[in-house]
Formats: sequence, C-alpha cells, structure tokens
Amino acid sequence: EVQLVESGGGLVQPGGSLRLSCEVSGFTFSKYWMYWIRQGPGEGPVWISRVDTKGTFTTYADSVKGRFTVSRDNAKGTVYLQMNSLKDEDTAVYYCARDRGDDASSSWVFDLWGRGTLVSVSS
Amino acid sequence: QSALTQPASVSGSPGQSMTISCTGTSSDIGGYNHVSWYQHHPGKAPKLIIYDVTNRPSGVSNRFSGSKSGNTASLSISGLQTEDEAVYYCSSYTTTNIAHVVFGGGTELTVL
Repeated sequence: EVQLVESGGGLVQPGGSLRLSCEVSGFTFSKYWMYWIRQGPGEGPVWISRVDTKGTFTTYADSVKGRFTVSRDNAKGTVYLQMNSLKDEDTAVYYCARDRGDDASSSWVFDLWGRGTLVSVSS
Repeated sequence: QSALTQPASVSGSPGQSMTISCTGTSSDIGGYNHVSWYQHHPGKAPKLIIYDVTNRPSGVSNRFSGSKSGNTASLSISGLQTEDEAVYYCSSYTTTNIAHVVFGGGTELTVL
C-alpha cells in the first residue's frame, strides 16, 4: 500500500527538542522530493521544509530556519524533522507529504500525505 | 492568518453544485498557474484533487474542477454527494522571499 506514516510527536516543554519521522511504503522513495507541512489549531496548513531526492538540498520557512533540520534516509524509506528550541507557536499537527513529480523535480504539488503527528509545546 | 483567503464554510444539498473561492495576490495566485486544491476528511490524510489550476489527478472524480481569474482561484463541485463533506484547502506557489507554497485557511463543506 502506498502510504506515509508520521511518528514522534508528543508534549514537550518550550526550549525542548523532538524528532519526527515519516516512514513511507509502496513506492520508490528515492525518486521524490519530500516536504513537511504543519497546521496549528484552527489554522490553515503552512509549509515549513523540503528536501530533495538525495537529501543534499533543503529549504525552510523563516519561522523554523535555524531551529529545524530536515533529512532523509533513502535506504530506510524515511524522512526526518529534527526540531530544536521549540516554542509555543510550534504547536501543530505535522504532516509529511510527497511531491507528485517522480522525475526528481520539485513541483510543490503534494500528491500523497500522511495523517499527521501532533506536537504540543507547553510548560 | 493564512496567506490565501477562503470562506470558512459553505453548504449545499445532494445533487447541487458548489463553488469555493480562494483569493490571493499577484505574488501568488495571480502570478503563477500553480494552484492546487486538497480535500481533507478529519482524521484522514489530505487528498490532492486539483493541481496546476485545472488538472485532476488520476482517480479523482470529474465532478471536481478548478479555474482561475486574476488573483482568485475557484474549486467547483457538481452533483454534491454526502462523501464530499470535508474541509477544502487551496494552495499556490509563490516566490515571495523564497520559493514555497502558501495555503488558504480552509473551507468546511457541509452537504445537508
């Protein structure tokens, strides 16, 4: 089955760290750019990070730049999001998503999403 | 506050048609033909239903269609069905600051 499954969310204090994982199955992971998108309570989704097919090129939204790091392990079929110096405003459901381009291009169209993992930052 | 503006909710009866609008600026919707629409049933993974303004992915019903005029994109749904009840999000490519996408705040569709 083609799917993405996020894990690693939970409750963390401000200033703390979490590492999210997104394990994929059912397709050739190494062909696709991958993205992290989050959705705060009562808000629309917000793009926060992307990584190319090899894991060598990454970009971040200003709101997380310098605090979050995206990486991937093509052998394990997993993309990660290391989140440091967490703030209250990082509280959200975090989704990983796949680019629809299977030719190693970044189209910014997300044709496959996971169900998300909830991160709560609170003291 | 989301970058793109959508109505918070719409409703219709089975069999009717419905249109959801998504308003941005010349820096996003108006500047590129890279508008996508996603359907989200709570607790499930969001689903791509329209990309590049008018294109439907394989397997998506032809009851869903997209269009754009100026800085506003629209999602139309014909022959409403109860399973269409969901939250719909628009997104658009933009190069403001860096290349990325922005989303709307979502429209909750109720099929009465």
